[in-house]
Amino acid sequence: QQPVQSPQAVILREGEDAVINCSSSKALYSVHWYRQKHGEAPVFLMILLKGGEQKGHDKISASFNEKKQQSSLYLTASQLSYSGTYFCGTERQAGTALIFGKGTTLSVSS
Amino acid sequence: DTAVSQTPKYLVTQMGNDKSIKCEQNLGHDTMYWYKQDSKKFLKIMFSYNNKELIINETVPNRFSPKSPDKAHLNLHINSLELGDSAVYFCASGVRSGNTIYFGEGSWLTVV
Repeated sequence: QQPVQSPQAVILREGEDAVINCSSSKALYSVHWYRQKHGEAPVFLMILLKGGEQKGHDKISASFNEKKQQSSLYLTASQLSYSGTYFCGTERQAGTALIFGKGTTLSVSS
Repeated sequence: DTAVSQTPKYLVTQMGNDKSIKCEQNLGHDTMYWYKQDSKKFLKIMFSYNNKELIINETVPNRFSPKSPDKAHLNLHINSLELGDSAVYFCASGVRSGNTIYFGEGSWLTVV
């Protein structure tokens, strides 16, 4: 079952923060976050496994609330390079393929 | 060296033709995938192979047939192409379960 992402689109100015949410109605084994720029392949950002954890590198971090089956991606002090479409991919059981949400388009302007 | 490589990158063909897209990974992964991304950017899983064995076969027309000669290769053959098949097809590879999957650069298929 496809996870639900919100919002569909975000428009920011450089330096502003954003949160992208990903939720599932079913229990999840893992949540993966990817960013895709126009005309390119999705690029891996981070993975969160069940057990509820938070990860981050640089100014991008994510959390996974296992009870709510919800993950959030946090982008702080956004940069122009953050622009793109962000996808969450969910794995319901170990060994199953990632099912992606419809994506959130992030536009950062100067 | 490109980790996951696909050929061709661009393909324009007429309705009714048969075409193939090749994918190779040099990451030593045991699982490979085909995803289809339509004009609305929706990334949909089509097939998954683990050590040359078909694991996932989503609701995809029979005209699409994956073939995995070895665990480093997963090709996609499409028969009797239709206009609706126009999309970007991404190959990906990973270690099964809870690990990163890496995408190839994509193959842009246009059916006219």
